Amino acid sequence: DAGVIQSPRHEVTEMGQEVTLRCKPISGHNSLFWYRQTMMRGLELLIYFNNNVPIDDSGMPEDRFSAKMPNASFSTLKIQPSEPRDSAVYFCASSPWAQRVGYTFGSGTRLTVV
Amino acid sequence: GQQVMQIPQYQHVQEGEDFTTYCNSSTTLSNIQWYKQRPGGHPVFLIQLVKSGEVKKQKRLTFQFGEAKKNSSLHITATQTTDVGTYFCAGPGTQGGSEKLVFGKGTKLTVNP
Repeated sequence: DAGVIQSPRHEVTEMGQEVTLRCKPISGHNSLFWYRQTMMRGLELLIYFNNNVPIDDSGMPEDRFSAKMPNASFSTLKIQPSEPRDSAVYFCASSPWAQRVGYTFGSGTRLTVV
Repeated sequence: GQQVMQIPQYQHVQEGEDFTTYCNSSTTLSNIQWYKQRPGGHPVFLIQLVKSGEVKKQKRLTFQFGEAKKNSSLHITATQTTDVGTYFCAGPGTQGGSEKLVFGKGTKLTVNP
């Protein structure tokens, strides 16, 4: 099992540019989560999906953020336009339905907006 | 909204000393999970506690869930340099679906060899 796969691992972009982060969950996991990690705010849940359907997007900070899950094996998190305060590590995680065995996190994408 | 608080924020120990981190929730939890994140890495699931007063052990790690299911602790006996990292507790969210986890800010452990 390859685990949760995220790409890119690192992204440096200029303010105002569009950024797309990608995630492939573990096959068979019904739930997918996008978290953002910063020193100040820790791990924050941005949005999560069950069976490809967005369930809770209350953590998405602004309309500049959007997420999609077109099928069970792929999800994207898009920031348009990006701002320096979006700099953080973005993690994708997946789990089987009912989270009885915990989340499996991807390696994360370190985003730097200059 | 729901809060999960951890103390201490940082802990530095000499190798061989014990370490404990505490987690407190503002609401009663159906379960609590613990994760470890090595420096530069990603959170890795350690364990889930479900029952009131539950105690589970993984080698030198002992996890406890409080009787009221509002607090938990992780104790490491005789720390080793491999224990370095940040330890997070997490509980199910109370709003917007029970699948999501709310994480504490974590306790960052450093071990002096």
